[in-house]
Amino acid sequence: AQRVTQPEKLLSVFKGAPVELKCNYSYSGSPELFWYVQYSRQRLQLLLRHISRESIKGFTADLNKGETSFHLKKPFAQEEDSAMYYCALKRAGQNAGGTSYGKLTFGQGTILTVHP
Amino acid sequence: EAGVAQSPRYKIIEKRQSVAFWCNPISGHATLYWYQQILGQGPKLLIQFQNNGVVDDSQLPKDRFSAERLKGVDSTLKIQPAKLEDSAVYLCASGSNNSPLHFGNGTRLTVT
Repeated sequence: AQRVTQPEKLLSVFKGAPVELKCNYSYSGSPELFWYVQYSRQRLQLLLRHISRESIKGFTADLNKGETSFHLKKPFAQEEDSAMYYCALKRAGQNAGGTSYGKLTFGQGTILTVHP
Repeated sequence: EAGVAQSPRYKIIEKRQSVAFWCNPISGHATLYWYQQILGQGPKLLIQFQNNGVVDDSQLPKDRFSAERLKGVDSTLKIQPAKLEDSAVYLCASGSNNSPLHFGNGTRLTVT
């Protein structure tokens, strides 16, 4: 069974400080990892995915298969980064007709607060 | 593109009553998901459709929950009868091959 763990329920930093939101996963196969974000009064939306290897809004995340981690990092936090962040895992290699294609398993989420 | 539409936004019912939620996915998305998000927890998958067929309903409490997607587009999720522990946000999401999931705003259900 796959599982995603976000050990920090709450994380507070000051504007301009570095921030790291932790995510660990357990899955025996080859996973795809995602970070989703939910800003106040908005819908859950994709922030980034590990296969894209891109930086979105200054955030990056590297998949570390040895440590089974996918931590989200930003060198200089901004007040507008305050939101709920969810790490999610999907089984890679599934086709559209395969069982549970696209099924995401979410962590419990981390509330990030960036103080001015 | 238009996003995933859900209604109603909020619903308050008493326990043992029934309730239904509606979802209209993004046009062309074959896969539709219903997630339950209890306060303080991450979303948990209830059921997944591929077109109008059920792909995964292993986490759906079938004694009280049902869902359908008859024409492979819109979907409804029903709870009958509701329990206090069903209070949650019910999220609908849609996707297609190799695309990330797009979520709706959700329906916040309160069971009193």
